[in-house]
Amino acid sequence: KNQVEQSPQSLIILEGKNCTLQCNYTVSPFSNLRWYKQDTGRGPVSLTIMTFSENTKSNGRYTATLDADTKQSSLHITASQLSDSASYICVVSSFSAGKSTFGDGTTLTVKP
Amino acid sequence: NAGVTQTPKFQVLKTGQSMTLQCAQDMNHEYMSWYRQDPGMGLRLIHYSVGAGITDQGEVPNGYNVSRSTTEDFPLRLLSAAPSQTSVYFCASSRDRDGYGYTFGSGTRLTVV
Repeated sequence: KNQVEQSPQSLIILEGKNCTLQCNYTVSPFSNLRWYKQDTGRGPVSLTIMTFSENTKSNGRYTATLDADTKQSSLHITASQLSDSASYICVVSSFSAGKSTFGDGTTLTVKP
Repeated sequence: NAGVTQTPKFQVLKTGQSMTLQCAQDMNHEYMSWYRQDPGMGLRLIHYSVGAGITDQGEVPNGYNVSRSTTEDFPLRLLSAAPSQTSVYFCASSRDRDGYGYTFGSGTRLTVV
């Protein structure tokens, strides 16, 4: 069964600190991996998209990495801000299988 | 540029009632999809469309119908609402199935009593 597992389930950090969120997947064949940020009560917003040949993609203070060999991705947030408090969702797509599989998300809380 | 617009934002239905959740996008995206998000769970695909006149089932299609008569609109119909359909529903569109330019609507919170 294709799965996307995210860890930790939740995380609390102090403002200004860095953090790393993990995404492990078994989806095959792999097409792309996307990270989304979802604020409470809002729809997900795309942060990064990576294909098989890309191992790093940045979007401001967000940096995603991909190791397609080990089927792992991480999202690193630098110098966290209160506005980073949200759920972060990892999505892996397999076009030949015709589907995208969503992880359950990591809930990040940034405290002052 | 409004992006993806969903209406209504909130809805309460009685068991057995039917209704249509509206979704419209103004980005000329070919690919549109509907998801539901239950508390503590990931988004699950209900139905999707790769272009006008073409729809297909996702992971959890039972109890829902869709149609795609135009590129812009992708309504989701609940045929006979059940409490198990209480959820937050998101519509999304993208330029193609690669997911580039993938945009979600702000969601419809549906409660079935």
